[in-house]
Amino acid sequence: KAGVTQTPRYLIKTRGQQVTLSCSPISGHRSVSWYQQTPGQGLQFLFEYFSETQRNKGNFPGRFSGRQFSNSRSEMNVSTLELGDSALYLCASSPGLAGGIGETQYFGPGTRLLVL
Amino acid sequence: GQNIDQPTEMTATEGAIVQINCTYQTSGFNGLFWYQQHAGEAPTFLSYNVLDGLEEKGRFSSFLSRSKGYSYLLLKELQMKDSASYLCAKGGATNKLIFGTGTLLAVQP
Repeated sequence: KAGVTQTPRYLIKTRGQQVTLSCSPISGHRSVSWYQQTPGQGLQFLFEYFSETQRNKGNFPGRFSGRQFSNSRSEMNVSTLELGDSALYLCASSPGLAGGIGETQYFGPGTRLLVL
Repeated sequence: GQNIDQPTEMTATEGAIVQINCTYQTSGFNGLFWYQQHAGEAPTFLSYNVLDGLEEKGRFSSFLSRSKGYSYLLLKELQMKDSASYLCAKGGATNKLIFGTGTLLAVQP
């Protein structure tokens, strides 16, 4: 089975721009979660999607948004980029059964975003 | 709060045993995960504990005490390739994982 894939792997943007990142989960997985990883804060939960619906959301501003398609692929968007948005953005997939509780999440390689 | 606390760095010798501790707030607990992350790579799943006790998986074992909000990851027969960050994460509602900042383990010859 192919793992979680993310595109693009690297991205450079300037302040004020917006960016869209893509994630394709493991085949058969219906839950996709997004995380931001920075050296100072570690991995922080952004949001989780299951069956095209956002089921849970972390403490990030509304500039961070996402969506999920009927094939379970997910995108996240960051608008009005700030320097502090420079980070590794990871997505993770899991089957999404039983409300997603206690499921092992499998991570993709991440998209490294640099905001100048 | 949701604080997950683990040591920032540890150093150990090849062939030895190392224990990485993790403490967490017990509210909203739905299991404790350990992930390994090599520099520049994605986190990979190591273990999951939801009941008290020790889970052994080859050279790696993980322990959980729910009443104490405490877990540890035990690595035996350390190898150089075990040099990585080890991430402790508390499972919450609907696939929300609360991560600690990770423990950077350096294995020396």
